[in-house]
Amino acid sequence: AQSVTQLDSQVPVFEEAPVELRCNYSSSVSVYLFWYVQYPNQGLQLLLKYLSGSTLVKGINGFEAEFNKSQTSFHLRKPSVHISDTAEYFCAVANAGGTSYGKLTFGQGTILTVHP
Amino acid sequence: KAGVTQTPRYLIKTRGQQVTLSCSPISGHRSVSWYQQTPGQGLQFLFEYFSETQRNKGNFPGRFSGRQFSNSRSEMNVSTLELGDSALYLCASSEVGELFFGEGSRLTVL
Repeated sequence: AQSVTQLDSQVPVFEEAPVELRCNYSSSVSVYLFWYVQYPNQGLQLLLKYLSGSTLVKGINGFEAEFNKSQTSFHLRKPSVHISDTAEYFCAVANAGGTSYGKLTFGQGTILTVHP
Repeated sequence: KAGVTQTPRYLIKTRGQQVTLSCSPISGHRSVSWYQQTPGQGLQFLFEYFSETQRNKGNFPGRFSGRQFSNSRSEMNVSTLELGDSALYLCASSEVGELFFGEGSRLTVL
């Protein structure tokens, strides 16, 4: 079984400040890791993913994340946030051993609020 | 390339009724997954279909069912609706290493 813990349910931050959204996971097998963003009344959009290779992953909108296998973490970072980054962010894992990418286990989400 | 399309976007039902939701995946994608999103339970995996076969199933009662057609379009059905079934139901189609989500069908059960 797999589980994902997003350590902060809400993160308030001022515009142009850096932000880190924390994600820890638990799994008995190798995993793929994802960060998704959800804007109000919309579906989920992929920000970035780690499948293999470099542990520092760059995504869209200036976001990046680092896979740390020893700490089982996949924290999301952005050096300077904008008002438009206000949304809910979800960390997710999938079993790396299978051929299916359709079954993800999600964290509970972190609401990022960017204040002017 | 058109994205994942879900219909209807919003619907209201009463307890005891049943509902069918539809999902058209991105052209060429053969895998379709369904998720339920609620404020209390978050995002939970319902099931995944690949080439008309259920490949994975989440921990939901038998009232929740789905199917996939030969053109990869998928439907999910919830019978005997309960108040707790009120949720955003998200469909996603997948390619290697990525899920693409639709905007969801918001179901309200009164």
